[in-house]
Amino acid sequence: RKEVEQDPGPFNVPEGATVAFNCTYSNSASQSFFWYRQDCRKEPKLLMSVYSSGNEDGRFTAQLNRASQYISLLIRDSKLSDSATYLCVVNILSTGKLIFGQGTTLQVKP
Amino acid sequence: NAGVTQTPKFQVLKTGQSMTLQCAQDMNHNSMYWYRQDPGMGLRLIYYSASEGTTDKGEVPNGYNVSRLNKREFSLRLESAAPSQTSVYFCASSVLAGETGETQYFGPGTRLLVL
Repeated sequence: RKEVEQDPGPFNVPEGATVAFNCTYSNSASQSFFWYRQDCRKEPKLLMSVYSSGNEDGRFTAQLNRASQYISLLIRDSKLSDSATYLCVVNILSTGKLIFGQGTTLQVKP
Repeated sequence: NAGVTQTPKFQVLKTGQSMTLQCAQDMNHNSMYWYRQDPGMGLRLIYYSASEGTTDKGEVPNGYNVSRLNKREFSLRLESAAPSQTSVYFCASSVLAGETGETQYFGPGTRLLVL
């Protein structure tokens, strides 16, 4: 079983739609959580950290459920520029390493 | 402030050839990492260096060696390239490995094809 699992998609949505991605992690020692964004043939970049109380950054909302070991990302009012692959990432503090999911691809259509 | 830079951007090798991928960061970060990214596999850690003078194996270290030349530079060497090493290689850095909320900054990647 992969340590971090995501539905690879692709998710095809129209502009303006709301879309949600989920991610599950297997290691209960995971300490911190992130969503990274990766555009086609580019490097990953941090989109947002995920806090226990949930957090919002503009149209993006991240949630963490430690009991069920999953993380979610909600994108409201999708834009064409949101088309990318979204990587779920966990940090197991004792190891000093980030574990990446394989990513979920989003295509926003006009 | 260039962030994380990698050279070369593209490389084609024949099986058995060797090469070194270079990575440098100008953010005064302590920790540096090498990943490979393959379709359907996500990013996998090859080696990392938590601080200058130390290196440790990641998830997929076989066939690779690394050198933390100084605080800025972290190189990845393929001694005898194999077709299974065809991949996109990313270097990354962070202020300090393992800190809660730590962000890693990635270089633009090196696309390697081994024939």
